[in-house]
Amino acid sequence: GENVEQHPSTLSVQEGDSAVIKCTYSDSASNYFPWYKQELGKRPQLIIDIRSNVGEKKDQRIAVTLNKTAKHFSLHITETQPEDSAVYFCAAETGFGNEKLTFGTGTRLTIIP
Amino acid sequence: GAVVSQHPSWVICKSGTSVKIECRSLDFQATTMFWYRQFPKQSLMLMATSNEGSKATYEQGVEKDKFLINHASLTLSTLTVTSAHPEDSSFYICSALTAGQYSNQPQHFGDGTRLSIL
Repeated sequence: GENVEQHPSTLSVQEGDSAVIKCTYSDSASNYFPWYKQELGKRPQLIIDIRSNVGEKKDQRIAVTLNKTAKHFSLHITETQPEDSAVYFCAAETGFGNEKLTFGTGTRLTIIP
Repeated sequence: GAVVSQHPSWVICKSGTSVKIECRSLDFQATTMFWYRQFPKQSLMLMATSNEGSKATYEQGVEKDKFLINHASLTLSTLTVTSAHPEDSSFYICSALTAGQYSNQPQHFGDGTRLSIL
């Protein structure tokens, strides 16, 4: 089955700086990669996703890059703000009848004011 | 749109009690729902995939007789933790996929249920 690794487990950045979180996956058949933000005790919220037919996607301060050959994808947050502090999870899905998500281990991001 | 309601949000009960958690899609039909468990400071672990009108598919290591899943309609799936013990205390979250949607679409998550077994 799919295995998703995520690094780093914790990340502290100064407000205004950029944050990068990286994930690798094992199943070359995976073709959908969402990123979730989860605040304590709350539901995971989708912040951006990417499908395997594109290499990069951007939405305002958030971007995701995908390298299918290397089987890794990364989340980039620019101009970080205190409200970006949360736990971020990457995930991978194979699809086509197997829509279950395999989540990474999570990154606790702290933005230092 | 795509709202998933989960109930209850928080439950405390004695060891040996059975607890039922409901997951409802409020404004869409969901042929597939997923049940996750999340222990403190850990990731979401898929427990089972629930398909409307058929038996749930459980992940390896998840006891199907302990975690009963019923998906009797296109808008409701339930998870019953039978004879719950303290080690079952966790945050349980459901998610749903819109019926008829193509692959590679976002799952819609419920707010989660915090279960505490005394």
